[in-house]
This record gives sequence, structure tokens and C-alpha cells, in this order.
Amino acid sequence: GAGVSQSPRYKVAKRGQDVALRCDPISGHVSLFWYQQALGQGPEFLTYFQNEAQLDKSGLPSDRFFAERPEGSVSTLKIQRTQQEDSAVYLCASSLNRGGEQYFGPGTRLTVT
Amino acid sequence: RKEVEQDPGPFNVPEGATVAFNCTYSNSASQSFFWYRQDCRKEPKLLMSVYSSGNEDGRFTAQLNRASQYISLLIRDSKLSDSATYLCVVNKESNYQLIWGAGTKLIIKP
Repeated sequence: GAGVSQSPRYKVAKRGQDVALRCDPISGHVSLFWYQQALGQGPEFLTYFQNEAQLDKSGLPSDRFFAERPEGSVSTLKIQRTQQEDSAVYLCASSLNRGGEQYFGPGTRLTVT
Repeated sequence: RKEVEQDPGPFNVPEGATVAFNCTYSNSASQSFFWYRQDCRKEPKLLMSVYSSGNEDGRFTAQLNRASQYISLLIRDSKLSDSATYLCVVNKESNYQLIWGAGTKLIIKP
């Protein structure tokens, strides 16, 4: 079946622009995670949804970062007024249930110039 | 101290050799442990979960040592296709939030 998909795959933004990154999880997966991965590092947790509820947003680095999953399926990560330090790969993962194996999308590579 | 620590490598290993990585974690309450594999510019993919009793999947063996708080991954008869970064992953007490190591880079040479 279809895996996790993310769009766009690549995004170049000028500093100060807003960006929106989309994640389509595996159908039926309750849990959805967003991660940020810098070059040479492991993924860093950003936020977690169980269905449409955002249960944990402790990893969001600033109030410029906002995530939503209004209908419990597709999720959007929005970054306002992008800064150069926001340049990274943003990974989305979904799992059937909380604590289950996480399946990752291909990521969105964001470059802020 | 990082919550999950790995030797970044790279480990340069001849094809057919056996290679082992360790990973240490700081949270003694962690319950779930995983090894993920990540190829260059690709997403992480689950290689194997790590169980208390240790587990084996083909050429791959994972071990957990709770007393010393480390997990290990052993790869036997290494193949060129094993070249990748291997990420050690540990859950937080919440049981959903995963803490990732920075990864160990493995290069298998012909």
C-alpha cells in the first residue's frame, strides 16, 4: 500500500517568508510525528498528533512553528518568518498506534536563503 | 550529556567482515529500543527492534544491556549494500516520543 508522502520534496524560501509543509500519513494510522533533521544529526522530535489532537508540541523550537491535523489524517507544518537556522530536512512519520513502529516519509528539504 | 550517544564513525569495513556498533542511553526508564537505517538523503527505515532477550534477523543481531544502558548491533558477512548510517533510537517514558542518536556511518569496501 501507499506509504507516507510529503510535499514539497524541496523548498527554497527567502528569509522572512512563510512556508507550509504537507504530510499524508498511511491511511488508518492514528499517530503522526514531525521531526527536524539537520545535516549529520539524528531526527529531532518536533510534535505529535493522536488523530486530530496535538498531544505534544514540546519540540517546536519557537512560536514561529505551528502544526495542525484538523481531520486526523493530513498534517501541515507551518513555519512563519523563516530564518536561516530553519534550514533542515523535515520528516513526517506515522504509526498505527501510540508506541508502534514509525514509518517515515521522504522528507521536505527546506533551504532558507 | 546527550540522551542517546553513538560513535559517529565512519567505520570502514571490508566486504564480508563482521562489524559491531554500540549505543548508550541515559534514561533508565526507557522501554523500547530500535535500530534504524538511513541511506544518504533518504528517510530512516526501521532495521529492527531490540528486545531484552536479544534478537537476530538474518545477518543482524541486536542486544540490550539494561544494567549498563547500552544497545548493540552486530552485522555479520557485511555486504556493500549495508553501507548506510545506523541510528540508535530509544523511547522516552511517554512511550511515543523517540530520542535519536546522531547515527554511526558505515562504509563497506569491496
